[in-house]
Amino acid sequence: AQSVTQLGSHVSVSEGALVLLRCNYSSSVPPYLFWYVQYPNQGLQLLLKYTSAATLVKGINGFEAEFKKSETSFHLTKPSAHMSDAAEYFCAVSDPAGGGGYNKLIFGAGTRLAVHP
Amino acid sequence: DGGITQSPKYLFRKEGQNVTLSCEQNLNHDAMYWYRQDPGQGLRLIYYSQIVNDFQKGDIAEGYSVSREKKESFPLTVTSAQKNPTAFYLCASSAGQGPYNEQFFGPGTRLTVL
Repeated sequence: AQSVTQLGSHVSVSEGALVLLRCNYSSSVPPYLFWYVQYPNQGLQLLLKYTSAATLVKGINGFEAEFKKSETSFHLTKPSAHMSDAAEYFCAVSDPAGGGGYNKLIFGAGTRLAVHP
Repeated sequence: DGGITQSPKYLFRKEGQNVTLSCEQNLNHDAMYWYRQDPGQGLRLIYYSQIVNDFQKGDIAEGYSVSREKKESFPLTVTSAQKNPTAFYLCASSAGQGPYNEQFFGPGTRLTVL
């Protein structure tokens, strides 16, 4: 079965610093991978997704992620953090074995990003 | 604008009561989902529906029930059998059943048991 591990439940960076949020997955088939962002008391918003078209995926708000099959990783990065990036970030993998071919997403536990001046 | 609406935003339940959370979407999506979110645990799937009048249990369905009588609506009932219902509940939808289809989320309902 697919699974997702997000290393670090809390990450703190300075404004203007590099943001790196780690995601490792396990999958027995070529994965479809997603990064979502959640602001306090809100739903999840899609940042970007990997669907095998390109290993470097660019998303919204200056975020990007690189798919590395050899490392089973899909880390999220942003060159320069902004105060508005403070939120919780979730990595997810699509599980085609969810039964009946439906789109089951397996979520990581999340990483809370804090940005300080 | 197309999207998903959930109501109410905050809900308080007394012990032994059933409560129903509303989820409506105008994205014309076939598939809809309910998740429960607890601090530090990510999202866990409660129920999902791929088509009207059909739904399947997710990973933590005990104590919950759903219906799908209309394409745009997927209400969730938290029954008195759910022993620890205090959580943030998220509804989502997707255009198709393929694994490449992202899910779109509503703003959530925070349920608190008094």
